[in-house]
Amino acid sequence: NAGVTQTPKFQVLKTGQSMTLQCAQDMNHEYMSWYRQDPGMGLRLIHYSVGAGITDQGEVPNGYNVSRSTTEDFPLRLLSAAPSQTSVYFCASCRGTYNEQFFGPGTRLTVL
Amino acid sequence: KNEVEQSPQNLTAQEGEFITINCSYSVGISALHWLQQHPGGGIVSLFMLSSGKKKHGRLIATINIQEKHSSLHITASHPRDSAVYICAVPGGTSYGKLTFGQGTILTVHP
Repeated sequence: NAGVTQTPKFQVLKTGQSMTLQCAQDMNHEYMSWYRQDPGMGLRLIHYSVGAGITDQGEVPNGYNVSRSTTEDFPLRLLSAAPSQTSVYFCASCRGTYNEQFFGPGTRLTVL
Repeated sequence: KNEVEQSPQNLTAQEGEFITINCSYSVGISALHWLQQHPGGGIVSLFMLSSGKKKHGRLIATINIQEKHSSLHITASHPRDSAVYICAVPGGTSYGKLTFGQGTILTVHP
């Protein structure tokens, strides 16, 4: 199993550009989440999904969109990148509410 | 929202020392996660526990649900244990509302 995969590993954007961060898992997990990690702020939840077709907002959803058309994939879209979105982004998945979480390797995004 | 406090924020130890990292939270929960993140690296789940104690190699995690407190212990610490240790709790009844502590930066010197 590849586990949770994320692409790209690094990305530099200009303010106003849009892009999609890809996340995929091959463990047939229902639950998937996107987090951002900033110095001094810890990890914060952006959006999450409890199954295909079901998504909800987390703590810091503004400026991001998600969709979940399949169990495997959970892409995160930045609609119009801003310097405040410079961060490291982690995708995670798990089998259920009280199960071990599996994290992807992260995407380091810089917005100029 | 569940507030999660970790202590200490930074911890320096000599190889072989016994290490304790603490995590307190404000709202009662059913389970707590301990995670490890090496510098520049990904995040790995160490434990998920809902009561008592769990042990994996030199790592031991304990939780006291009544006192809303958990501890992560490392016995016979080694430089490869140097990492950030993060505790996380569900922030509500639905998955996804996971709230994280700020993390404890552990450095173990040879």
